[in-house]
Amino acid sequence: GAGVSQSPRYKVAKRGQDVALRCDPISGHVSLFWYQQALGQGPEFLTYFQNEAQLDKSGLPSDRFFAERPEGSVSTLKIQRTQQEDSAVYLCASSLVLGSGGEQFFGPGTRLTVL
Amino acid sequence: AQRVTQPEKLLSVFKGAPVELKCNYSYSGSPELFWYVQYSRQRLQLLLRHISRESIKGFTADLNKGETSFHLKKPFAQEEDSAMYYCALSPQRYTGNQFYFGTGTSLTVIP
Repeated sequence: GAGVSQSPRYKVAKRGQDVALRCDPISGHVSLFWYQQALGQGPEFLTYFQNEAQLDKSGLPSDRFFAERPEGSVSTLKIQRTQQEDSAVYLCASSLVLGSGGEQFFGPGTRLTVL
Repeated sequence: AQRVTQPEKLLSVFKGAPVELKCNYSYSGSPELFWYVQYSRQRLQLLLRHISRESIKGFTADLNKGETSFHLKKPFAQEEDSAMYYCALSPQRYTGNQFYFGTGTSLTVIP
């Protein structure tokens, strides 16, 4: 009965390192969203999955960002060659319904700091 | 393009006073509007959505398509209402995949 979980909760990376952020959605939730939240800002949409299909990746800021959800449950957001501007909290959310019209349940976020 | 605007970053009101958190949006078609709230040390969670037309924790929000606004209101603020509030938009109720948040308003209710 746990909610959305994310790991790690905190990640410090040196500039140029690759990182992988994990999201475990609520079981049975078909929709999964990733957001990037910079300090003092609202969450910014990155990408959307419907089961294993990545239907929208229009918010990914560069080709260094890659997300996958191969079996329609756990998702991983990968950032290659991290830059200082990638420092942010990365939020994952899942929803029982298709699309973005339903209630989203958020994880605690992963705080990424790039030195 | 900024789709959701929350003009107030900080808002302070006294306990028992009315509170209104402003939200304006810019999107054509039939967007769906939401308010999400984040209490201290808790996760972001849904407060209410315009299609539900319900009052949650005493809060209401009416979608005004003419003014493209979705302001959040409560007649008598309580200390436990202190939190970060985000207005959010889904472009299409049934087919949208994207989701847009405003920059948030931090509400402090003074005892």
